[in-house]
Amino acid sequence: EAGVAQSPRYKIIEKRQSVAFWCNPISGHATLYWYQQILGQGPKLLIQFQNNGVVDDSQLPKDRFSAERLKGVDSTLKIQPAKLEDSAVYLCASSLEAGTRAQYFGPGTRLLVL
Amino acid sequence: GQQLNQSPQSMFIQEGEDVSMNCTSSSIFNTWLWYKQDPGEGPVLLIALYKAGELTSNGRLTAQFGITRKDSFLNISASIPSDVGIYFCAGHPFAGGTSYGKLTFGQGTILTVHP
Repeated sequence: EAGVAQSPRYKIIEKRQSVAFWCNPISGHATLYWYQQILGQGPKLLIQFQNNGVVDDSQLPKDRFSAERLKGVDSTLKIQPAKLEDSAVYLCASSLEAGTRAQYFGPGTRLLVL
Repeated sequence: GQQLNQSPQSMFIQEGEDVSMNCTSSSIFNTWLWYKQDPGEGPVLLIALYKAGELTSNGRLTAQFGITRKDSFLNISASIPSDVGIYFCAGHPFAGGTSYGKLTFGQGTILTVHP
């Protein structure tokens, strides 16, 4: 069974530029999550989707971050415009259903904002 | 928000030694998960615990969901060099009834194994 796929793996941009990350969850997983992991810390949830609907986006900085999962499968996370403090690893995870089921993570996208 | 206290922050051990790390919280959790993260990769699920008192093994790894639902530990027996990495505990806080909170992570334990 294929795992969670993410691209790109690395991205370097200048501040105020835009960037987008893509995620394809494990087949059949209805719930998709985007996390931000700053160096030396555990991942922090940005947004949770159940199929194509948003369940929780309370920690998403909506003035610059946006995410969509239009067809309930793959998802895109966008940052526009990027700030220096957005430098982090952006992880996508999926689980079979919402609730307390285990989440499976992709390899992440490492973003450096200069 | 909910916080998990994970200890120790780092460990330096000799190959063959056993390792123990734990996670505690001031509030009740519904789920405890243990992940390992290698440099440049995403966290990989090692063990998932869903019931208080549950003890689960995965090869040389053993983890338990504390009876109080406020703690969990992970043991690694007979460590080998490829055990090197960052280990994270994570859990879903109890939010009342059948509700659950968002997955919360500990700060991680950095494990170094000397051959």
